[in-house]
Amino acid sequence: QKEVEQDPGPLSVPEGAIVSLNCTYSNSAFQYFMWYRQYSRKGPELLMYTYSSGNKEDGRFTAQVDKSSKYISLFIRDSQPSDSATYLCAMPDRGSTLGRLYFGRGTQLTVWP
Amino acid sequence: DVKVTQSSRYLVKRTGEKVFLECVQDMDHENMFWYRQDPGLGLRLIYFSYDVKMKEKGDIPEGYSVSREKKERFSLILESASTNQTSMYLCASISVYTEAFFGQGTRLTVV
Repeated sequence: QKEVEQDPGPLSVPEGAIVSLNCTYSNSAFQYFMWYRQYSRKGPELLMYTYSSGNKEDGRFTAQVDKSSKYISLFIRDSQPSDSATYLCAMPDRGSTLGRLYFGRGTQLTVWP
Repeated sequence: DVKVTQSSRYLVKRTGEKVFLECVQDMDHENMFWYRQDPGLGLRLIYFSYDVKMKEKGDIPEGYSVSREKKERFSLILESASTNQTSMYLCASISVYTEAFFGQGTRLTVV
């Protein structure tokens, strides 16, 4: 079983839609949860970083963590064509001094005008 | 502005060639990683390094080696390139808060 599972999509929505992206994980020791955004032909960039359960909001983006279910989500409100990208969830192994990050496979999102 | 720079955006190499991919970071990070990214497979860890001259195998190290002679530079070496190593290669530098800063990627084609 992979450490982090993520549906690769692709996901295609109209502009203005609410988008929900999800990941599940198997290691209950994970405490930090990240979402990266990767535009075509670019490297991933950190979008949001959360710790423990609950919600974190940043503009149109909301990250949600449910540790009891080992399930994390990223919601995008009022989606825009500029949100079209691949979104990857990631979880660091903070128990290791090596700081390894475990990534989901990424979900490819297209927002059409 | 923090930066991770990979030496090439696009490379075309012949089967059997020895290939060097270079990565330089300017953030004084200890940890650096090499991934390859393929459609449907996501990011797969090849090698990582947590200090100068220190390295650890990732999940898919076969056919690759690495070199870290200086803290800011982490090189990935394909000993004898094969067509199944055609991929996007991404270098990352990791902060103490485990945030990863990625380079722009090198798209390698082996013919």
